[in-house]
Amino acid sequence: SQQGEEDPQALSIQEGENATMNCSYKTSINNLQWYRQNSGRGLVHLILIRSNEREKHSGRLRVTLDTSKKSSSLLITASRAADTASYFCATARNSGNTPLVFGKGTRLSVIA
Amino acid sequence: EPEVTQTPSHQVTQMGQEVILRCVPISNHLYFYWYRQILGQKVEFLVSFYNNEISEKSEIFDDQFSVERPDGSNFTLKIRSTKLEDSAMYFCASKARGRNTEAFFGQGTRLTVV
Repeated sequence: SQQGEEDPQALSIQEGENATMNCSYKTSINNLQWYRQNSGRGLVHLILIRSNEREKHSGRLRVTLDTSKKSSSLLITASRAADTASYFCATARNSGNTPLVFGKGTRLSVIA
Repeated sequence: EPEVTQTPSHQVTQMGQEVILRCVPISNHLYFYWYRQILGQKVEFLVSFYNNEISEKSEIFDDQFSVERPDGSNFTLKIRSTKLEDSAMYFCASKARGRNTEAFFGQGTRLTVV
């Protein structure tokens, strides 16, 4: 698999349920970021977790990072229909100028 | 809140024509990027730019592509002779100095080559 592979590819849940998306990567990283993309629109930054952090929260978002397994998860609690979007993880190598490497994304559908 | 702006939002061009995609990064950012996303696929890195020069580029960024920061605000991507396979969404991004700062993306330019 390639750097920043998310699973599942698609996820459909009911409003109010929690959504969990996973991301795996292969090389060493400086940080891992999650982005959201509404259909045909731009990428919105959600959260950044550094390689020395294990868990981070932002509102209804919870991100974990396990560098030993080279994996991360994004949990959205109490999902809403407005959370319907594609979610991408992106990894950054050990440099301030390093480009992001994106995964293929998870398409989340939240049904009202 | 400061944002990255891109113009145009949609451009249709004939194969073989030159296109210039424009971006205005966030004003105090130092690192600039172009990415592209072919419909239904993942976001791919094209090029990064710092201190008025290319710092890194991918295999996609061949001789048909060029970038420029002609003044203190604009950051452009030029495709010299477009091909059908250049049809994609092109995103500009900018980032402040620091190892753990997030990249802010524009809304993208949808390029359609016919």
